[in-house]
Amino acid sequence: LAKTTQPISMDSYEGQEVNITCSHNNIATNDYITWYQQFPSQGPRFIIQGYKTKVTNEVASLFIPADRKSSTLSLPRVSLSDTAVYYCLVGGVRWTNAGKSTFGDGTTLTVKP
Amino acid sequence: GAVVSQHPSRVICKSGTSVKIECRSLDFQATTMFWYRQFPKKSLMLMATSNEGSKATYEQGVEKDKFLINHASLTLSTLTVTSAHPEDSSFYICSARDSQSYNEQFFGPGTRLTVL
Repeated sequence: LAKTTQPISMDSYEGQEVNITCSHNNIATNDYITWYQQFPSQGPRFIIQGYKTKVTNEVASLFIPADRKSSTLSLPRVSLSDTAVYYCLVGGVRWTNAGKSTFGDGTTLTVKP
Repeated sequence: GAVVSQHPSRVICKSGTSVKIECRSLDFQATTMFWYRQFPKKSLMLMATSNEGSKATYEQGVEKDKFLINHASLTLSTLTVTSAHPEDSSFYICSARDSQSYNEQFFGPGTRLTVL
């Protein structure tokens, strides 16, 4: 299983763009990269998923370089409600036991007014 | 997106009793579900992988006789904490993988277990 490394915490201010980078040096050919957001006492919520290059949806962008050994979650114009823990997961396409993913330590993002 | 529910959302029990937690995929079929536990300010720890119609696969260090998992249908998996002790108090989260879409994993809202 690919191990992921993220910064433990980040601070930002309302209205700023926040970029959280995740390292996954051992990513396998079939692995996708998925980011989740978690608020206290809630289950993780899907944010975005990608395989390579750039993916954008209504809430975030995901940048993945050609070597795929890292990825960057970009949150545009954060608000106080974006304060949460963000997890980067790397996992296989076929979700057999061998394809399961493991949560890393996550990044605690604190957005200040 | 697809919805996964958990019941109960919160449970308090006495030491020595058993507690059952249900995980349901509401609008999709899930041949595979995962069970996690999470301690305060810690990351999610995968406990086991639950496959419909077969035995669950447990992660190293997780006692299969203590954490009984049953995945009897494509929309329901249950986790039973047997003979619960205070150290079993934790936040238990399930997730389900859509059988038609292997890439995405949908998480339940979690169950807070407190063992007195």
